[in-house]
Amino acid sequence: SAVISQKPSRDICQRGTSLTIQCQVDSQVTMMFWYRQQPGQSLTLIATANQGSEATYESGFVIDKFPISRPNLTFSTLTVSNMSPEDSSIYLCSVARGTGDNEQFFGPGTRLTVL
Amino acid sequence: GESVGLHLPTLSVQEGDNSIINCAYSNSASDYFIWYKQESGKGPQFIIDIRSNMDKRQGQRVTVLLNKTVKHLSLQIAATQPGDSAVYFCAERWSGGYQKVTFGTGTKLQVIP
Repeated sequence: SAVISQKPSRDICQRGTSLTIQCQVDSQVTMMFWYRQQPGQSLTLIATANQGSEATYESGFVIDKFPISRPNLTFSTLTVSNMSPEDSSIYLCSVARGTGDNEQFFGPGTRLTVL
Repeated sequence: GESVGLHLPTLSVQEGDNSIINCAYSNSASDYFIWYKQESGKGPQFIIDIRSNMDKRQGQRVTVLLNKTVKHLSLQIAATQPGDSAVYFCAERWSGGYQKVTFGTGTKLQVIP
């Protein structure tokens, strides 16, 4: 298994500000992902964080709003920029060791509230 | 776009009974399916998976059934326990999608003691 930690675990932010969420894995992984889970809803993939290159964003998500970094095989950050109350959500980091039918592990999530 | 959905948003089950959670998927190209359990305040936890070349797979107290003809997936939990109370998500993946997993809407399982 992979142990994933996220910082912060929760935050309350003002409209118009930005928050950077960190994801740390206890071992090297090939794939890292960022998901959003709005209250009472399912998970929606924001982007795939690629090590050494630009992230791959899903439809409806753009780099200017959700810039992502992945400097190495155990760490990634997601920034939520110019926040509005609609960004209030749980943001989850997920990892997979490699291609194929490998288990995908999830971090505990970061609960963000935007006032 | 393609989506994965569930028939029942909530399911209440008496402790000790069996639970069945259903899921319909629409992407016929999906070849790998996963069930996740999410407890309050935590990230999803892998329960069991199944490849599209199988129709049944069993784990400890859990069984996943796949019916590709009608694009239907189910999770059966035997002898449901209070610790099984959580939200359950089915998810699908397509081998050409670079490990990208698409989640269904989720079913909340409530176990009545």
